[in-house]
Amino acid sequence: QVQLVQSGAEVKKPGASVKVSCKASGYTFTSYDINWVRQATGQGLEWMGWMNPNSGNTGYAQKFQGRVTMTRNTSISTAYMELSSLRSEDTAVYYCARTGFPYYGDAFDIWGQGTMVTVSS
Amino acid sequence: SYELTQPPSVSVSPGQTARITCSGDALPKQYAYWYQQKPGQAPVLVIYKDSERPSGIPERFSGSSSGTTVTLTISGVQAEDEADYYCQSADSSGTRVFGGGTKLTVL
Repeated sequence: QVQLVQSGAEVKKPGASVKVSCKASGYTFTSYDINWVRQATGQGLEWMGWMNPNSGNTGYAQKFQGRVTMTRNTSISTAYMELSSLRSEDTAVYYCARTGFPYYGDAFDIWGQGTMVTVSS
Repeated sequence: SYELTQPPSVSVSPGQTARITCSGDALPKQYAYWYQQKPGQAPVLVIYKDSERPSGIPERFSGSSSGTTVTLTISGVQAEDEADYYCQSADSSGTRVFGGGTKLTVL
């Protein structure tokens, strides 16, 4: 079945970087954009950016410009999101989500299970 | 920055109709999408392109659009519908944005 499987929980110190992976299966990885969305405990969803796995093109939310990098390895159908200069406010669950274009428009039709990233000294 | 505004909470009794609104200046030009999120789970798409329902989503879920407001309607609410609901759209530059979320309580 179509699914996105993310890497496990991470604990990082302030100032460090974290890299979360998102492995796609059940569909052609290069045919659909991958987005990253995060959610702090008890808070709402926050979109971080997108990546086209075919071209490698990316687009980041202004808030994360300069701190986030989205990449991919097409040989293993895996997308990555790296966030640097971590601070306590970055503690959140990070989700990858597929854009279901064209059928679903810009909707995120498939989501990963989420990766908890904790930033603590 | 572009914002989508949702009510923080909506409460209904089982069998009644729940309506959750989402307001944003760009909604007349951009599609809206709705997600359901239960505690400890990833969001699930329940409405796309304002009013379309993905396969597997019950018919009691519907969406509509009027001007700068889109509405998610759940007819005949069931206990299992208790969840957080988020609208999502984009601004003119393609930046995606989520509403703040609405907690639906089934009394």
